[in-house]
Amino acid sequence: KAGVTQTPRYLIKTRGQQVTLSCSPISGHRSVSWYQQTPGQGLQFLFEYFSETQRNKGNFPGRFSGRQFSNSRSEMNVSTLELGDSALYLCASSLVGSYQETQYFGPGTRLLVL
Amino acid sequence: DQQVKQNSPSLSVQEGRISILNCDYTNSMFDYFLWYKKYPAEGPTFLISISSIKDKNEDGRFTVFLNKSAKHLSLHIVPSQPGDSAVYFCAASTGTASKLTFGTGTRLQVTL
Repeated sequence: KAGVTQTPRYLIKTRGQQVTLSCSPISGHRSVSWYQQTPGQGLQFLFEYFSETQRNKGNFPGRFSGRQFSNSRSEMNVSTLELGDSALYLCASSLVGSYQETQYFGPGTRLLVL
Repeated sequence: DQQVKQNSPSLSVQEGRISILNCDYTNSMFDYFLWYKKYPAEGPTFLISISSIKDKNEDGRFTVFLNKSAKHLSLHIVPSQPGDSAVYFCAASTGTASKLTFGTGTRLQVTL
């Protein structure tokens, strides 16, 4: 079974631009979560989507948004990029996102904002 | 506010010896804890977990201990192998399974 895939793997943008990242979950998984990893901050939860609806949200500004499609693929968008948005963005999938269910991570998209 | 803390950014252990990675948390609502391992250029991989109703969980060479009164958990790897060299993240959940709160990670290096 194929794992979680994320595209693109690397991205360079300039301040003020916007970016869209894509995540394809493991086949059959309907819950997709997004995390931001920066040095010294660990992984911070952005949001979770289940059945095309945002079910949980972390403490990030409205510039960060996402969506999920009927095939469970998810995208996240960051508008008006800032230098501090440079990070590794990870998505994780699970069957239904229930309590104690293991989340499987993709390799991440490394975003550099210049 | 870092609710999950891994105060040791790095740890070096000789092959065959025990590796002990530590994690502290501040939110008493956390009731499920996990350890993930991350290699460069890969996403984190689930390693082992423990529910707050237990104080120990074992899986092969990996054992996680939970001390609820001290709000502390640790991961023991015995014996350590060179392939264990990676960054280890502890994470915690309050029951909203999809929202994991992670520590900042500890880089483990297992030397020959």
